[in-house]
Amino acid sequence: SQTIHQWPATLVQPVGSPLSLECTVEGTSNPNLYWYRQAAGRGLQLLFYSVGIGQISSEVPQNLSASRPQDRQFILSSKKLLLSDSGFYLCAWSVRRNGDSPLHFGNGTRLTVT
Amino acid sequence: AQSVAQPEDQVNVAEGNPLTVKCTYSVSGNPYLFWYVQYPNRGLQFLLKYITGDNLVKGSYGFEAEFNKSQTSFHLKKPSALVSDSALYFCAVRDLLSGAGSYQLTFGKGTKLSVIP
Repeated sequence: SQTIHQWPATLVQPVGSPLSLECTVEGTSNPNLYWYRQAAGRGLQLLFYSVGIGQISSEVPQNLSASRPQDRQFILSSKKLLLSDSGFYLCAWSVRRNGDSPLHFGNGTRLTVT
Repeated sequence: AQSVAQPEDQVNVAEGNPLTVKCTYSVSGNPYLFWYVQYPNRGLQFLLKYITGDNLVKGSYGFEAEFNKSQTSFHLKKPSALVSDSALYFCAVRDLLSGAGSYQLTFGKGTKLSVIP
């Protein structure tokens, strides 16, 4: 069966520090990969998605970047964190198909920028 | 762009009573609709989806959803609520992105369900 791992679970970082969040998927190949951010426990916003190694698309301009160095690895980064980067970050994967496959989410990373 | 709306921020229901969490959608073309549940400090768990076929879709944990094209709705239902069903529920719609095989799910703002013992 497929599993998705996301770490760390919680992170407290000072303003201006770098960030690296990692997500890996097991049990599938060529997945679509996603980074979402959830603010204030509610609405989810798509940040990045990837359909293959090295292929990253950004949905919103921001202080963050993403990379996909391997087929099942997706990394969210920042060179200098802002207070507004605080939130709950969720990685997800789906079967690369015509959109009838649900997204499967990791357990998220709670980021607090102080 | 596709969108969904969840008109209720919170729904309270007594344990054992039926529950309904509402969702309406706005799409061009055929809708691909999903329901998810989120427990505190956890990721979203997939409950069910509607792609085509029967308007009543059955999913995990005894949940079902009714697709209504004329009312553009996709309400989540359960015949008998459990205290453990208390959580945040999200409706979502498939939204195509640029590039072959690229799509995302666009989510509603969520409805907090509280089941009262």
